[in-house]
Amino acid sequence: EAEVAQSPRYKITEKSQAVAFWCDPISGHATLYWYRQILGQGPELLVQFQDESVVDDSQLPKDRFSAERLKGVDSTLKIQPAELGDSAMYLCASSSHSGQPQHFGDGTRLSIL
Amino acid sequence: RKEVEQDPGPFNVPEGATVAFNCTYSNSASQSFFWYRQDCRKEPKLLMSVYSSGNEDGRFTAQLNRASQYISLLIRDSKLSDSATYLCVVDSNRDDKIIFGKGTRLHILP
Repeated sequence: EAEVAQSPRYKITEKSQAVAFWCDPISGHATLYWYRQILGQGPELLVQFQDESVVDDSQLPKDRFSAERLKGVDSTLKIQPAELGDSAMYLCASSSHSGQPQHFGDGTRLSIL
Repeated sequence: RKEVEQDPGPFNVPEGATVAFNCTYSNSASQSFFWYRQDCRKEPKLLMSVYSSGNEDGRFTAQLNRASQYISLLIRDSKLSDSATYLCVVDSNRDDKIIFGKGTRLHILP
């Protein structure tokens, strides 16, 4: 089982609703990443944190997506309102610092109806 | 050139054969390179880091060619359990940008 904890494993909701994902990285890992992966594609980086600071959120659709890591440990990713095209796997990963191998959580599979 | 590019495959290879695939990258400043393996509907898992001198781990060998800007993965004596998607990851330490390739699908045939 992955050492990075994510919840929920699955989420089914209707469009226009709010969705939230949670991630607890490996203890001591300063860098945390949120990815979105559509079936048949590679993971796409949404946001990268170094401790509590955002390092890169250039690919995050900021009109509906938000992410925070207030205490530099666990993190939440929120979508409001959800759209049909948001259906995907949302993966969280952590590394000791940038440039080091990333360890992934099991992911949250999101289905928007 | 795309930032990180992989042949999507699928590569259909008989069990016991040797298979190799490459991943090209566009940013010459890239510093860190990795191969990940991802099984269907599972999370990516680190297979190996790719060092300048190349590295080997059992049946797996990874190489870096900075001049031509690509990394390679070679699998010898392939097993049925090697069937997966292999993702190339390039990390530019200069701007902390991480790019995943779209993956190469490998099917090992009995």
